Amino acid sequence: DTEVTQTPKHLVMGMTNKKSLKCEQHMGHRAMYWYKQKAKKPPELMFVYSYEKLSINESVPSRFSPECPNSSLLNLHLHALQPEDSALYLCASRRGLAGTGELFFGEGSRLTVL
Amino acid sequence: KNEVEQSPQNLTAQEGEFITINCSYSVGISALHWLQQHPGGGIVSLFMLSSGKKKHGRLIATINIQEKHSSLHITASHPRDSAVYICAAPYGGSQGNLIFGKGTKLSVKP
Repeated sequence: DTEVTQTPKHLVMGMTNKKSLKCEQHMGHRAMYWYKQKAKKPPELMFVYSYEKLSINESVPSRFSPECPNSSLLNLHLHALQPEDSALYLCASRRGLAGTGELFFGEGSRLTVL
Repeated sequence: KNEVEQSPQNLTAQEGEFITINCSYSVGISALHWLQQHPGGGIVSLFMLSSGKKKHGRLIATINIQEKHSSLHITASHPRDSAVYICAAPYGGSQGNLIFGKGTKLSVKP
């Protein structure tokens, strides 16, 4: 299994809603990433988890709250988002942080905030 | 200035043509990634290479670490190859993050 699975594929939410994005991998990877991608732009790093611990937070607003409950699962909890947060949210994983291991991406969750 | 530069930004080709996309980087790296993204879709890792050349089907990637340059070639291009191709270089020491190029949008016409 060489997949990173993200759910849901599409999400529409209002600014007062609370929702979550989910990312799952069963490759035994211990580094997992959240990226945000706006249209026609490269992905921007949001968070990095290493061995289920938050390693990097790229100054992301607190309305985005990551969680890594176990080594296979990464969540992104969303609350009080703004319309400008509408984007494609990509999850990725790799074997570990160090070295040059290949990065595996999910298909993304396309978020629309009304 | 982006530390990873790609050219061209846009590329239109006829089916069957040989395609080359170039990537130059100014950071010191040990490996470079080539990624593919179809419209509205997720990202697929095509290659990760640190020297020489790698081939997968009709795709070939080369890298020259001394010249800080890499190329992605597509032989016998097909409309299904239409996508954005992104090169990315790791940075930040052990944190494993990538600097992304701005991508090359390839459109292959039948």
